[in-house]
Amino acid sequence: DAKTTQPTSMDCAEGRAANLPCNHSTISGNEYVYWYRQIHSQGPQYIIHGLKNNETNEMASLIITEDRKSSTLILPHATLRDTAVYYCIVTRDTGGFKTIFGAGTRLFVKA
Amino acid sequence: SAVISQKPSRDICQRGTSLTIQCQVDSQVTMMFWYRQQPGQSLTLIATANQGSEATYESGFVIDKFPISRPNLTFSTLTVSNMSPEDSSIYLCSVTPGDEQYFGPGTRLTVT
Repeated sequence: DAKTTQPTSMDCAEGRAANLPCNHSTISGNEYVYWYRQIHSQGPQYIIHGLKNNETNEMASLIITEDRKSSTLILPHATLRDTAVYYCIVTRDTGGFKTIFGAGTRLFVKA
Repeated sequence: SAVISQKPSRDICQRGTSLTIQCQVDSQVTMMFWYRQQPGQSLTLIATANQGSEATYESGFVIDKFPISRPNLTFSTLTVSNMSPEDSSIYLCSVTPGDEQYFGPGTRLTVT
């Protein structure tokens, strides 16, 4: 699976959009981009995933560049409860796969 | 979706002893995964457990230290054997019933 690079930490004001970048320059054509987050003292939580097209669900939006070498997770209206570590993962399969976690981005949402 | 429970939620154990962690899923799944999260670190995959076959361990993890059972499609156990303080971590089980991966709440282990 391709490696990912994320900033170590980011700050965001409550109510503003949080834009979390991820670089995956070695991604191959059949690899998906997944995002998970881990709120303190909890297990990781799935957020969203995509292959080529931008995706949106009730939690977030995922913007993937045309060359697929980078992506951005957008939390449209961040709240204090969105403070967590966010993991960007690139993986070959969508099911029955093992997820290898990097260091992630620690997002602090401030009032 | 999948709802996962783990027992115990936390434990304090003495070095040299063993602890068995249970993972129960509310639906049948083919593959279950065990992760370790050391203090302040990201998650590290220990092994993949399929029902009816031996678990597959990642580099740096061995069966003698982390034996795994997978007796059916909704249950698995991970044993941490001959514990040392370095084994103090959160241990999480995980499943992928579909496109998404679900994680249990974790078992917080402290070895003294």
